[in-house]
Amino acid sequence: LAKTTQPISMDSYEGQEVNITCSHNNIATNDYITWYQQFPSQGPRFIIQGYKTKVTNEVASLFIPADRKSSTLSLPRVSLSDTAVYYCLVGDRTGSSNTGKLIFGQGTTLQVKP
Amino acid sequence: AAGVIQSPRHLIKEKRETATLKCYPIPRHDTVYWYQQGPGQDPQFLISFYEKMQSDKGSIPDRFSAQQFSDYHSELNMSSLELGDSALYFCASSLLLNTEAFFGQGTRLTVV
Repeated sequence: LAKTTQPISMDSYEGQEVNITCSHNNIATNDYITWYQQFPSQGPRFIIQGYKTKVTNEVASLFIPADRKSSTLSLPRVSLSDTAVYYCLVGDRTGSSNTGKLIFGQGTTLQVKP
Repeated sequence: AAGVIQSPRHLIKEKRETATLKCYPIPRHDTVYWYQQGPGQDPQFLISFYEKMQSDKGSIPDRFSAQQFSDYHSELNMSSLELGDSALYFCASSLLLNTEAFFGQGTRLTVV
């Protein structure tokens, strides 16, 4: 499975845009990129998933370059409540490998300051 | 909307005892994942099931076993508990493998 590398921590201020980049140099053809958010003592929460180019939903955007060896989660205008740990995962969702293994690497702790 | 239900929410056991954690996935979800998260650590994948069959295995100790039943609920059985088993245990479910997974609120297991 592709291993992911993210910054351990990031600081930001309220109202700023935050970009968290994840490296996944060994990503396989069938792998999708998924980001989760986790607050202390709570289960991770799905943010966004993509395969290539750009995906946007109501909370975030995901940018994936053509070589797919990295991805960037973009959080527009963060607030204090966005302080959390953010995880980047890669995994095959086509079913061809018939494996269900969402592996969490070391996430990025985002601290949003007033 | 229905979410993933885990029970119990809190559990205190003594060393060498046995514990059973239950997970009820979102209706129609066919995949269940189990994770262990120690204090200040990232979630560690234990095991997953797809359509009631074991799909993948992670760093699950031999003392632990799990299964998914005909109604798709899953149970994680933990025997000969050790102090180091104290952690938050999360269950997640998804429709098909590795698609958007929804996590339960977790079971906090404390071994004393």
